[in-house]
Amino acid sequence: QSVLTQPPSASGTPGQRVTISCSGSSSNIGSNYVYWYQQFPGTAPKLLIYRNNQRPSGVPDRFSGSKSGTSASLAISGLRSEDEADYYCAAWDDSLSGPVFGGGTKLTVL
Amino acid sequence: QLQLQESGPGLVTPSETLSLTCSVSGGSISSGSYYWGWIRQPPGKGLEWIGSIYYSGSTYYNPSLKSRVTISVDTSKNQFSLKLSSVTAADTAVYYCARAELDGGLPDYFDYWGQGTLVTVSS
Repeated sequence: QSVLTQPPSASGTPGQRVTISCSGSSSNIGSNYVYWYQQFPGTAPKLLIYRNNQRPSGVPDRFSGSKSGTSASLAISGLRSEDEADYYCAAWDDSLSGPVFGGGTKLTVL
Repeated sequence: QLQLQESGPGLVTPSETLSLTCSVSGGSISSGSYYWGWIRQPPGKGLEWIGSIYYSGSTYYNPSLKSRVTISVDTSKNQFSLKLSSVTAADTAVYYCARAELDGGLPDYFDYWGQGTLVTVSS
């Protein structure tokens, strides 16, 4: 059981905009930054969004993050087949004194 | 370009200690601007943070694993290590080492990751 809650799956067609939600609590998302990671099968996670809505160099602006209260969202616009991957949200948790992850969302591009 | 590489046995006997090392190249582990962490992922499951260490030796551990985990750093070798004792089949996972940015003196997001190494706990 993950501390942060994500839907196990999401899907969309090429060109669509999809959003993935991440729900937490006051001890994590509610009081700290949210991060998003993208992971392809058999590879290490890659940082996609940091500090709620910042993109590392090289991440397309099709990817955007937002946070409101104890929830956060990752939005992918202009969906492409190469976006098919697992997406994980994360945040520092003050109660655990460490980062916690969501269970991951498998994105399928139909 | 910073690179991290995990190394260690791929098979560990139940009740024994899992030991892994992360070698860092392309940057100094002693730079003082980062924490260095371990994250694991059981087959087909999500990510779990194990713990993080600063070059000075300051550590943060996942409370659920704290009694069994030791993370240490060797600045002379530019490496940090993980020891997980009394392992069971539930500890079978891909283990990743990663670099964490600092935010207000605490570990922040992981921006560089190793490729991961699968450790299987089995007799």
